[in-house]
Amino acid sequence: ETGVTQTPRHLVMGMTNKKSLKCEQHLGHNAMYWYKQSAKKPLELMFVYNFKEQTENNSVPSRFSPECPNSSHLFLHLHTLQPEDSALYLCASSQEGVLETQYFGPGTRLLVL
Amino acid sequence: AQTVTQSQPEMSVQEAETVTLSCTYDTSESDYYLFWYKQPPSRQMILVIRQEAYKQQNATENRFSVNFQKAAKSFSLKISDSQLGDAAMYFCAYRSESQGGSEKLVFGKGTKLTVNP
Repeated sequence: ETGVTQTPRHLVMGMTNKKSLKCEQHLGHNAMYWYKQSAKKPLELMFVYNFKEQTENNSVPSRFSPECPNSSHLFLHLHTLQPEDSALYLCASSQEGVLETQYFGPGTRLLVL
Repeated sequence: AQTVTQSQPEMSVQEAETVTLSCTYDTSESDYYLFWYKQPPSRQMILVIRQEAYKQQNATENRFSVNFQKAAKSFSLKISDSQLGDAAMYFCAYRSESQGGSEKLVFGKGTKLTVNP
């Protein structure tokens, strides 16, 4: 399998549930990103990992907890979410460096009830 | 902070015709990169074209080309010979570096392109 994959593609959860989103990249990149895409809003960068180290946390609430065990895998752990957290969550990866382009996964459509 | 503005929420074009999507941005930097991404109904963001600000020549990728006006901070996308598969949301993005040195993209709100047969 090539490119950037995300699982699950769709997720429905209650506000008291705990769930995790998974992203895997098969491109040999060493930087990975989580974005949130809400209706009628620009994509919002949430987290950046570079060589497994978190280099950016864009003021994301603590109910979102990222984990990057290695350069190929990125997780987003979710707990006690709010209905306004319902959105499309996109993962991306890039080769570290100023010239490199980000490649996106298909996203996870999250609905919080 | 950098901002990216796409003033056209929706556009439509007839198949085989040409359409131009607008994008303006605000920055105080002199060196940066600009992108157009396409997001079809499948939701996967796909890079369409990239422009380095230090290059005067407009980037071109097959039927896709840009009109980059650095002084005006404008970065429009022209799609020639539009095809049904071009129908998608198109996002303009600006790249700046975060403190960690990683790539940080700032996106516009997007333009929904409809291609009519």
